[in-house]
Amino acid sequence: GDSVTQMEGPVTLSEEAFLTINCTYTATGYPSLFWYVQYPGEGLQLLLKATKADDKGSNKGFEATYRKETTSFHLEKGSVQVSDSAVYFCALSDQNGNNRLAFGKGNQVVVIP
Amino acid sequence: DGGITQSPKYLFRKEGQNVTLSCEQNLNHDAMYWYRQDPGQGLRLIYYSQIVNDFQKGDIAEGYSVSREKKESFPLTVTSAQKNPTAFYLCASNGQGVQPQHFGDGTRLSIL
Repeated sequence: GDSVTQMEGPVTLSEEAFLTINCTYTATGYPSLFWYVQYPGEGLQLLLKATKADDKGSNKGFEATYRKETTSFHLEKGSVQVSDSAVYFCALSDQNGNNRLAFGKGNQVVVIP
Repeated sequence: DGGITQSPKYLFRKEGQNVTLSCEQNLNHDAMYWYRQDPGQGLRLIYYSQIVNDFQKGDIAEGYSVSREKKESFPLTVTSAQKNPTAFYLCASNGQGVQPQHFGDGTRLSIL
């Protein structure tokens, strides 16, 4: 079945550093891809999305490009802030008509002042 | 404002007891979902419903039950058959087509 793989382990970095979180996927057909963010004690919020190959999703300084050839959707931000500390989830939308999402395991990002 | 409301925020269950988690949305969305979140495990789908009076099992439905009598509401019951219910439970909804899911703020369930 469809699945999403995120890089292992938390990510700790200093304020104003460059952030990359890797995400690769396995799916039949052409799924839509999403990044969600979760702040402590809260639900998930949609950060950005891309619905077809070569689309670039962007929001709040974050970007991710849908790469069909490498089945990837890596999240990047050029200069992180302490307020970006959160858990980030990559997800894909099932293309079988039931709109289910398959999630990666998430990455904890900690930004140190 | 439109959104998804989950209640209660914290819930405690005694051994052998069933508990029901509430999820209400005023987004006029057809589809609703329940996920379980455990540390380091990501989100796992418990049940989902695409229309009123219909629902399907997700990947970890054993020990849970749901109903969908109204478009706005999708309550989840954690039964005594669920032997490891301690987790963070998230409800979500979305509209027709390939739309992002909107999430509630979750209910944290613990065992007394």
